[in-house]
Amino acid sequence: ETGVTQSPTHLIKTRGQQVTLRCSSQSGHNTVSWYQQALGQGPQFIFQYYREEENGRGNFPPRFSGLQFPNYSSELNVNALELDDSALYLCASSLGPGGYTFGSGTRLTVV
Amino acid sequence: ELKVEQNPLFLSMQEGKNYTIYCNYSTTSDRLYWYRQDPGKSLESLFVLLSNGAVKQEGRLMASLDTKARLSTLHITAAVHDLSATYFCAVHYGGATNKLIFGTGTLLAVQP
Repeated sequence: ETGVTQSPTHLIKTRGQQVTLRCSSQSGHNTVSWYQQALGQGPQFIFQYYREEENGRGNFPPRFSGLQFPNYSSELNVNALELDDSALYLCASSLGPGGYTFGSGTRLTVV
Repeated sequence: ELKVEQNPLFLSMQEGKNYTIYCNYSTTSDRLYWYRQDPGKSLESLFVLLSNGAVKQEGRLMASLDTKARLSTLHITAAVHDLSATYFCAVHYGGATNKLIFGTGTLLAVQP
């Protein structure tokens, strides 16, 4: 049984640029959620994908978008990066009710 | 609006002492999770609590849930330095969105 893997682990981008973060779900998990964790805060829900469809969204602007692929892996795309987008981005996979398995995260720094 | 509050935000303890972290939430939920996070790392699942009165224990940590009071506690017994980390509770919010709402976190520092 594989865990959740995220790439890259660290990333530095310039304000205004675009970024794509990737997540491979735990084997058999069909639901992927993305969270943003700013320094010193708890994770905030961005959105969730279930069977390739967005299944809920938090209070984030449209420049945050995502995809889920047939193998249940997922991408988070952020356009027009702002300094406040600097954070740890966490991906979590799940299968129905029960536990969420979190990846190790991508640390994004916007300068 | 669903809110999850933890207290204290920061806890400095001596080794061997006991303490409790509290997690209050504002809306009915069917599941509550506790996670541990080490600096710069991801979230490690500690407990999932599914029903009123649920109690789970692992080593020096014990978690409980009172759904009527919308309160969960994480009790630390005879703390050791290795327990130093940030602890989060997270409430599952179903409905159309199916998401976790995290508390503010409690930074635990266990002093030798």
